[in-house]
Amino acid sequence: DIQMTQSPSSLSASVGDRVTITCRASQGISNYLAWYQQKPGKVPKLLIYAASTLQSGVPSRFSGSGSGTDFTLTISSLQPEDVATYYCQKYYSAPPTFGQGTKVEIK
Amino acid sequence: EVQLVESGGGLVQPGGSLRLSCAASGFTFSTYNMNWVRQAPGKGLEWVAVISGSGDNTNYADSVKGRFTISRDNSKSTLHLQMNSLRAEDTAVYYCASRYYSSGSSLGAFDIWGQGTMVTVSS
Repeated sequence: DIQMTQSPSSLSASVGDRVTITCRASQGISNYLAWYQQKPGKVPKLLIYAASTLQSGVPSRFSGSGSGTDFTLTISSLQPEDVATYYCQKYYSAPPTFGQGTKVEIK
Repeated sequence: EVQLVESGGGLVQPGGSLRLSCAASGFTFSTYNMNWVRQAPGKGLEWVAVISGSGDNTNYADSVKGRFTISRDNSKSTLHLQMNSLRAEDTAVYYCASRYYSSGSSLGAFDIWGQGTMVTVSS
């Protein structure tokens, strides 16, 4: 199975900072990658699919990039409401594996 | 309104069984693949199983293969997960999820989720 490795596992940044989370696949997955946001005690929410397509209603400060094995989720200007854990998910082939998550906090 | 509502969670002893359900509404249930995803307390997301819209095709995570069975009743717009031989490590919130709004492969990028149902396996 293809493994997904996210980094960092956690980060602390100031409001307004640019935040970058990476996800690496153990094999090429084209652009079959999604990003989710899960706020504490809440259900996961899809942010980005096909590596870079923003889900409807998601703020434009979120963006995704990458193809093949290396992917990035960027928050251009961190806001207090962005405190959450972020997960990548590959869906190139079964099983649709999730990364281990990146917890984002405000400094 | 598109909605998924899980039920059936609870406390069960190791080796026991439990059947989860997910009631769907607001969309043509039979045309969408449906998934179960779980999250152990304080841990990350783990995909569990998928079933095709017709119910003819299923796939499972290795961790549950042979113990869990996913099924659906399209006449009732309901998804099920039969869980047998439960272990402590199956303790988790179980979500049903699917890709509904966005186009593309239905294997992932789940954009509709239920609120989850908690399963606790303990003696």
